[in-house]
Amino acid sequence: GAVVSQHPSRVICKSGTSVKIECRSLDFQATTMFWYRQFPKQSLMLMATSNEGSKATYEQGVEKDKFLINHASLTLSTLTVTSAHPEDSSFYICSAKQGTEQPQHFGDGTRLSIL
Amino acid sequence: EDQVTQSPEALRLQEGESSSLNCSYTVSGLRGLFWYRQDPGKGPEFLFTLYSAGEEKEKERLKATLTKKESFLHITAPKPEDSATYLCAVQGPYAGGTSYGKLTFGQGTILTVHP
Repeated sequence: GAVVSQHPSRVICKSGTSVKIECRSLDFQATTMFWYRQFPKQSLMLMATSNEGSKATYEQGVEKDKFLINHASLTLSTLTVTSAHPEDSSFYICSAKQGTEQPQHFGDGTRLSIL
Repeated sequence: EDQVTQSPEALRLQEGESSSLNCSYTVSGLRGLFWYRQDPGKGPEFLFTLYSAGEEKEKERLKATLTKKESFLHITAPKPEDSATYLCAVQGPYAGGTSYGKLTFGQGTILTVHP
């Protein structure tokens, strides 16, 4: 149980392109979803927290107009990297949790490479 | 501000050589300490949640323990397939309606088990 699917697993695109990443909880309803960014050999950096039907809460220093988050249902959240540039290249990981006392379960990440 | 420090940064073991990983934390009101395993290019995989000092959880060759200041992940007779990065994270109290159980991660311990 508690499977989180993230798609696509890898994206390579040109600078200026917008990229959408999907995160789905397959066998549970996710009250809250989280988006992280991970640099090589570093830990996870929280970008934003989203609840179904409400606006995402962004961490300090994360541009909300750059990283658009939509949490349209209890099983789907999307992250759109708008007008991506090479510095946006990174490993993006989503997680989902059901209820306040449950652990976060993570997707397998999306490797984004901007040329 | 919540803080998590993991040690050592890297640990090399021979197969069958038991050891422990440390996670020291500072949090104002612990609402859970979590251990995750992360394989290269993948998202973290949930292992354990500990809530109060004295609590212990076991899964196969892994055993997690918790005190008021730190947690240990004991690995008994490890195998090469236990090689991974082990992440520790704490969840602090909810800050009104904006903190939906976000986690603060440590930097991780890279475990390598040689056959």
